[in-house]
This record gives sequence, C-alpha cells and structure tokens, in this order.
Amino acid sequence: EAQVTQNPRYLITVTGKKLTVTCSQNMNHEYMSWYRQDPGLGLRQIYYSMNVEVTDKGDVPEGYKVSRKEKRNFPLILESPSPNQTSLYFCASSLIQGGDTQYFGPGTRLTVL
Amino acid sequence: AQSVTQLDSQVPVFEEAPVELRCNYSSSVSVYLFWYVQYPNQGLQLLLKYLSGSTLVKGINGFEAEFNKSQTSFHLRKPSVHISDTAEYFCAVRGAGNMLTFGGGTRLMVKP
Repeated sequence: EAQVTQNPRYLITVTGKKLTVTCSQNMNHEYMSWYRQDPGLGLRQIYYSMNVEVTDKGDVPEGYKVSRKEKRNFPLILESPSPNQTSLYFCASSLIQGGDTQYFGPGTRLTVL
Repeated sequence: AQSVTQLDSQVPVFEEAPVELRCNYSSSVSVYLFWYVQYPNQGLQLLLKYLSGSTLVKGINGFEAEFNKSQTSFHLRKPSVHISDTAEYFCAVRGAGNMLTFGGGTRLMVKP
C-alpha cells in the first residue's frame, strides 16, 4: 500500500530535550516536506526537499532541522524543543513539485512542556 | 510571495443543503490550486486541483471548484452535503518555486 508513515504519532517531551520525528514514504517520491498545523493558521511549511541531499527552508524553519540522506526518509529534528513548538506535524511527499498531488502522513502530535 | 485566505473559519449547514467554501489567493505568477480535506484525527487528502484548462474542476465525493482568475478565487461547492462531509477543508496554492501555501482552513459542520 502506497503511504507516508510518521513516528511517533504522539509525543510529550520537556523543553530542551532533543527529539526526532521520522517520516518515510514508499512511493519513490522525489519531493518531501514537513508542515506544522496550528488552529486558525492552517498548515505552514517548515522545510522541504526536492531530492536526496537537497533541502530548503519553508515559511517557519526556525528551531528545526532536516536531513535527506535517502530518498524514502525525511526526518524532522528539534535540537532544543520549546513550548511554542507544541503543534501537530505532518510529513508529505509527491513525485515532483508543481501540480503534483501531495500525499500526507497521519500526523504527529507533539507537546513540549 | 503568495498567500491564501479562507474567508470562513466555520460553516454550519444542514444535511442535504448546498454549501460553498470560499478561497481567495494572491500571487504574482500563474498558480496551481488545490483543495484538501482533513477528517478528524487524520492527515490531509486531496479533493481536487486546478492546473490548467477548464476552470470548473470536479473532485471526489461530489465536490467541485471554479477557478476565477480575475477575482483570484477558487471556491469549493457541493450541491447537497452529507453528515460524512463534516471535516476541515484547506485551500492551497503553489506558484513560482516549490512552496505550497495553505489557507487557515474552514471547518464544515453538517447537522442532521
């Protein structure tokens, strides 16, 4: 089954404790992206990647890091999480940019205390 | 820079009534336009998209949207809604570059 998976689905952590949210897709997509969803703000893009070793900042990259060492994986790293990073995070992938449909993962709900 | 405005944060409607969810965008270049739906506790899935050609686009679950370039709008419509259409709907635009910009979302609440 074609899908985007994220782990963990739920995470509660404390300020300053480094964490990684994993994202994997099995559709051989080149383009991958991370979003955060906050009430009333819709989804805002954090980082995106057009291919292996090619990443770029989205609208809200501060406090986040990503890497794309393999085509299928695109982990999101929070080196020193803060409470304002409490949010619902989505990973997405598509074949290419432009008019292609993005396929979304199920989401990761992160709470930073 | 591009932006998307969804004019209504919530739209309550009775079952079998028609509905329109409004979306306006701004962009200095030609755009691709999308509507995504998010059911409770799930990720987003594509309803429909406009790339080029006919300005009336039909999607899944009986939804359709009309691209209006002069008004920079891409409103979503359904002639008769069902309880199962209760969800949050997001309009999104992709212009020059590789970023997909979403609106703030509209929560559609279908009442029996």
